[in-house]
Amino acid sequence: GAVVSQHPSWVICKSGTSVKIECRSLDFQATTMFWYRQFPKQSLMLMATSNEGSKATYEQGVEKDKFLINHASLTLSTLTVTSAHPEDSSFYICSANIGGDSYEQYFGPGTRLTVT
Amino acid sequence: GQNIDQPTEMTATEGAIVQINCTYQTSGFNGLFWYQQHAGEAPTFLSYNVLDGLEEKGRFSSFLSRSKGYSYLLLKELQMKDSASYLCAALDSNYQLIWGAGTKLIIKP
Repeated sequence: GAVVSQHPSWVICKSGTSVKIECRSLDFQATTMFWYRQFPKQSLMLMATSNEGSKATYEQGVEKDKFLINHASLTLSTLTVTSAHPEDSSFYICSANIGGDSYEQYFGPGTRLTVT
Repeated sequence: GQNIDQPTEMTATEGAIVQINCTYQTSGFNGLFWYQQHAGEAPTFLSYNVLDGLEEKGRFSSFLSRSKGYSYLLLKELQMKDSASYLCAALDSNYQLIWGAGTKLIIKP
C-alpha cells in the first residue's frame, strides 16, 4: 500500500516553455503533498507543501509564480514549471502523507527535468 | 535555527557493520526518520523513532536519544546493494520534516 506515482518520469523541454508534472497517490487519500527538488549529489530541498483545496505554502526562496502547484483532489497534485530555464534542470520528487497520526512521507519515483 | 548534521560520506566493507550518526537541533521534536536513497531514485522509508531506544528491523536498526538530540542507523551484514545515500530527517513542532544532507555509503567488496 501507500503507492505514489509521478508522470512523466523524465522530460526534456526547451527554454521558455512550461512543463507540468503530476503526482498521484494511487491507493490512499493524501491530505498533504510535498514537492522537492534535488540537484546532483545534493540532498532534498523542500519547495512547497500543499493541502487539497487550498493554496500551497512555498519555502523561502521558491518563486510561487514560477512553480505553480495545484492540489485539486486528495489523490492528485501538479507542479508546473513555467518559462523553464536550463537552471531549472533537476530531479523533482513529490511525496504524500496519509495524515492522522502518520507523518511518514511516501515518495513518488521522481521526474528528471532537462531544459535545453 | 533548525539543523541536521550527518557525515557526508562513509565507506565500509561487504559483510561488516556500519553506524551512521545524525544529530539534530529543531524547534520542537516529534520523531526522527531514516530514508534510503539510491542514485537517481526517490527515497524509501527505513525507520521512524519517536521514543528513546533502539528499534531493530532485520539488518537495519535505528536508535534515538531525545535528550542528546542524537540518532544513528546501524546496518549489519552489509551487502553491495546497501550502497546508497541515507537521509536523516527530524519532525519539528509543526510536523514538518527537516532533512539532513544525507550520508553517501560506499560498500567495498
